[in-house]
This record gives sequence, C-alpha cells and structure tokens, in this order.
Amino acid sequence: QKEVEQDPGPLSVPEGAIVSLNCTYSNSAFQYFMWYRQYSRKGPELLMYTYSSGNKEDGRFTAQVDKSSKYISLFIRDSQPSDSATYLCAMSEPGTYKYIFGTGTRLKVLA
Amino acid sequence: DVKVTQSSRYLVKRTGEKVFLECVQDMDHENMFWYRQDPGLGLRLIYFSYDVKMKEKGDIPEGYSVSREKKERFSLILESASTNQTSMYLCASSFVSQETQYFGPGTRLLVL
Repeated sequence: QKEVEQDPGPLSVPEGAIVSLNCTYSNSAFQYFMWYRQYSRKGPELLMYTYSSGNKEDGRFTAQVDKSSKYISLFIRDSQPSDSATYLCAMSEPGTYKYIFGTGTRLKVLA
Repeated sequence: DVKVTQSSRYLVKRTGEKVFLECVQDMDHENMFWYRQDPGLGLRLIYFSYDVKMKEKGDIPEGYSVSREKKERFSLILESASTNQTSMYLCASSFVSQETQYFGPGTRLLVL
C-alpha cells in the first residue's frame, strides 16, 4: 500500500463547477499538508499549505484536512479553464525534510 | 517571490554521456532537493542537501551524484547516462524551518 493515494483522473468538469480533489494517506504522523498545481511541462507551484487539521481558504481554493480519516481535500469553486492542470498532494512529518507526494490528479475544465 | 531556476528546459543526450543539471535559487534557502517525475510514479526524491557540501541520499540515488559548493547552487550529475534515466527532473528548495518546498520549471531529459 502506498503511503499516499491519489486518484489519477482525468477528471473533466464544465466551467463554473465545484471541483473536489482528494488524497488519502496511511501515516498518522503527517502534520504538514500541501497542494501543488502543475501545468503541462512545467514545475509544480505551491497552491495551499495546511498544518494539522482544519480548513484553509484562499480565493476560490479551500484545503481541508481530516486527520481522523487520514483524508485531505482541495476544493475549487467556480472552476475555470485556466485551472486545467495536474494537482499534486504532498505531506510530511515534523522534523523531516522528506515530502511524500501523491501521483497527481489531472483536471480538465471545459469551456 | 521565490525563484528557482534550472539550467536547461530540454536536454537530449547519448547513452554513456556525463550529464550535468544545475539548479539555482535566490532565496537563501538552506535545503535543496532533486526529484525525478515519471508518469504513474509521481515525484521521487533523488538527493537532498541541507547545507553547503552536505548531502543525503533520497529514495532513488543509484546512477546519480550531486554537488553543492555554494548555498544557492545544487547540481545533479548523471555519471553515465542510461535510457532509463529519461525523465523530467525537478529541483526544489526550502528554508530549514519551513515545510514548504518551491520548485523550478523542470528539465526534460531524453537519453538516446
């Protein structure tokens, strides 16, 4: 079993839809949770960073962490064609440099 | 804004060649990382450096070496390139006290 599982997609939605992207994990020691967006043939860019449990909102993006279920989510409201990209989740334990990445979910927002 | 740059966007090399990939960051980050990214496998850590001249192996160091002579610069070396090293190579950096890593644009390497 992988430490971090992420549905690869592709996920196709119409413009304006609410998108939900998810990762599950097995290591209960993870405390730091990140979402990266990666456009085709580019490097990942940091979207959201959350420490421990709870929600964090930034514009149209909301990151949610449920540590009891070992489940994290990224919600995108009013999705736009420019949101079409691969979304990677990443997580790490305190005191370690090492990130564990999901394999990414490919999202396509149709105009 | 954090800036991480990589020396090449695309590279084509022959089997057996020595390949150098360079990464530079301008944020005075202590930590620097080299990953490779392959479809279905995600990002895998090759090497990590937490200070000048310091390095640690990641999950897949075989066939690679690294060099960090200056804080802002971290080089990945393929001593003798092989076709199974065809991949997207990503450099990242972070402060030692911060959990967030910032990535460069990537180098797409093709080994023929």
